[in-house]
Amino acid sequence: AQSVTQLGSHVSVSEGALVLLRCNYSSSVPPYLFWYVQYPNQGLQLLLKYTSAATLVKGINGFEAEFKKSETSFHLTKPSAHMSDAAEYFCAVTSELGWGKLQFGAGTQVVVTP
Amino acid sequence: GAGVSQSPRYKVAKRGQDVALRCDPISGHVSLFWYQQALGQGPEFLTYFQNEAQLDKSGLPSDRFFAERPEGSVSTLKIQRTQQEDSAVYLCASSSPGLAGKNIQYFGAGTRLSVL
Repeated sequence: AQSVTQLGSHVSVSEGALVLLRCNYSSSVPPYLFWYVQYPNQGLQLLLKYTSAATLVKGINGFEAEFKKSETSFHLTKPSAHMSDAAEYFCAVTSELGWGKLQFGAGTQVVVTP
Repeated sequence: GAGVSQSPRYKVAKRGQDVALRCDPISGHVSLFWYQQALGQGPEFLTYFQNEAQLDKSGLPSDRFFAERPEGSVSTLKIQRTQQEDSAVYLCASSSPGLAGKNIQYFGAGTRLSVL
């Protein structure tokens, strides 16, 4: 069985400040991990993915995440927040098993203040 | 089209009505997934198709939910005798052939179903 826990349902950051969104996973097999972003009334857009290559993964819009097996974590960061980063962010896990169906966390809503 | 297309974008149904939600995946994508996203929650897996074969329907919440993909392209999710608890956004995603777990799933904008 696989699961994802996202710590913090809401995060408020100042424009220009560090964005840090936490994701911890549970998986009995080597995981593949994803971060998706969802803007209002839109579908999910992939930010980045980890599929067992480099542990530090760079994605779109300046985001990156580091896979830490010892901590079972895949936290998402961005050095400097922009107003356009206001959205909901979802961490998801899958593996080679189960057809690739994604198990999502509950999401973290990011608010960016001027 | 360039992306996954879902229709209708919004659907209001009276309790007890049947509804049909359509998904047009990216051309050539073998894999197709349906997810249900309740308000304030992450998406939850409903069912999976590989071409026209429904290989996993373990996430369908009841026998009122039925999905099909008869020609391996367009898919329809049907909900019979809708209940208020069916109110949610229904997301469709498709991905290209290859190792399933590593492939990116491309999501449509979803259908927001409201059952009154």
